[in-house]
Amino acid sequence: QKEVEQNSGPLSVPEGAIASLNCTYSDRGSQSFFWYRQYSGKSPELIMSIYSNGDKEDGRFTAQLNKASQYVSLLIRDSQPSDSATYLCAVMEGNKLVFGAGTILRVKS
Amino acid sequence: GAGVSQTPSNKVTEKGKYVELRCDPISGHTALYWYRQSLGQGPEFLIYFQGTGAADDSGLPNDRFFAVRPEGSVSTLKIQRTERGDSAVYLCASSLSGAGVYEQYFGPGTRLTVT
Repeated sequence: QKEVEQNSGPLSVPEGAIASLNCTYSDRGSQSFFWYRQYSGKSPELIMSIYSNGDKEDGRFTAQLNKASQYVSLLIRDSQPSDSATYLCAVMEGNKLVFGAGTILRVKS
Repeated sequence: GAGVSQTPSNKVTEKGKYVELRCDPISGHTALYWYRQSLGQGPEFLIYFQGTGAADDSGLPNDRFFAVRPEGSVSTLKIQRTERGDSAVYLCASSLSGAGVYEQYFGPGTRLTVT
């Protein structure tokens, strides 16, 4: 069973700080990775995709991938209360996404 | 443009009844996926369509679950003889294609409650 692991949290950070969300995966052959944000009662919203080792930046978000360590992370700079949500890490296996259980992020104002 | 739409948004049904959940993908997206999400968990894959055909139905939990996409656009997930354990949010996603790596975009989901 291919697995995606995330710390369930909650991760609490003060407004303006950097939030660091982490994810590990079991399938060494995985090539495509995604971060989704899910507000309470809503559906997952794609915020980042990453396919190559290293960093990928988009606004306040940076995704980091290390295939050798089977590790992918999401950094949120200048965290805002509106960033409070569950962040889901997903790994593509064939045509389907395999999700972690998500990390709850709380940004305190 | 319009995103993925799903109807109904909520469905309450009695144990043993039949339900149908509908998904309308983003226009031009040929790949369509169904996932199921239980409280506190990430979405779990059910079935994937490329065009009209079910290319991968390995996530369907048993033969009470069936899905169709007859014209390659709208899809219907059908659940027979519902059980309380079927209660979850059923999510539909679409992508430009299933061949290669394309980002999947989710609809708002249908919350199914089996009483």
